Amino acid sequence: KAGVTQTPRYLIKTRGQQVTLSCSPISGHRSVSWYQQTPGQGLQFLFEYFSETQRNKGNFPGRFSGRQFSNSRSEMNVSTLELGDSALYLCASSLAAGGADTIYFGEGSWLTVV
Amino acid sequence: GENVEQHPSTLSVQEGDSAVIKCTYSDSASNYFPWYKQELGKRPQLIIDIRSNVGEKKDQRIAVTLNKTAKHFSLHITETQPEDSAVYFCAASKGSGGYQKVTFGIGTKLQVIP
Repeated sequence: KAGVTQTPRYLIKTRGQQVTLSCSPISGHRSVSWYQQTPGQGLQFLFEYFSETQRNKGNFPGRFSGRQFSNSRSEMNVSTLELGDSALYLCASSLAAGGADTIYFGEGSWLTVV
Repeated sequence: GENVEQHPSTLSVQEGDSAVIKCTYSDSASNYFPWYKQELGKRPQLIIDIRSNVGEKKDQRIAVTLNKTAKHFSLHITETQPEDSAVYFCAASKGSGGYQKVTFGIGTKLQVIP
């Protein structure tokens, strides 16, 4: 069974640009959540999608957005990039939403903003 | 919302010694507590979890204890080995699905010295 797949793995963007990251969950998983990981800040929750609906959202500005498609694949977008957005963005999937089931992480997308 | 505090932030032990990482949570309704291990450059992976109907759970050299009254839970690693070196994250959730989320601690960097 394939794990959670994220693309791209590494990318470099310039301040002011926008970026879209993609996540394919484990087959059969309908919940996809996104986290930002930076040194010293741990895993910061961005949002969770289940059956194409956003179930929960973390404390991030509106520049961070996401969506989920009917096949459960998800994308997150960051507009007007800032230097502080440089981080590892992790996608995770689970069978059920809201922490009711084990979540499985992808390898992440390393974003560097210059 | 839920707040999870984790300490220590770094921990160095000699190979063969035990390591203990502690977490406290704020929401008394939380009842699912997973622990994740993240090796350098890799994805976080679930190593053990506990639900509020049990006080302790073991899996070989790893154990987790839960004190619901005090709202804290701990990860115990015995007979540590160099491959245990990683960042460990604790987490808490209500485990009831819906619109809840999993809240992570800030992480503990464990170094096992050969």
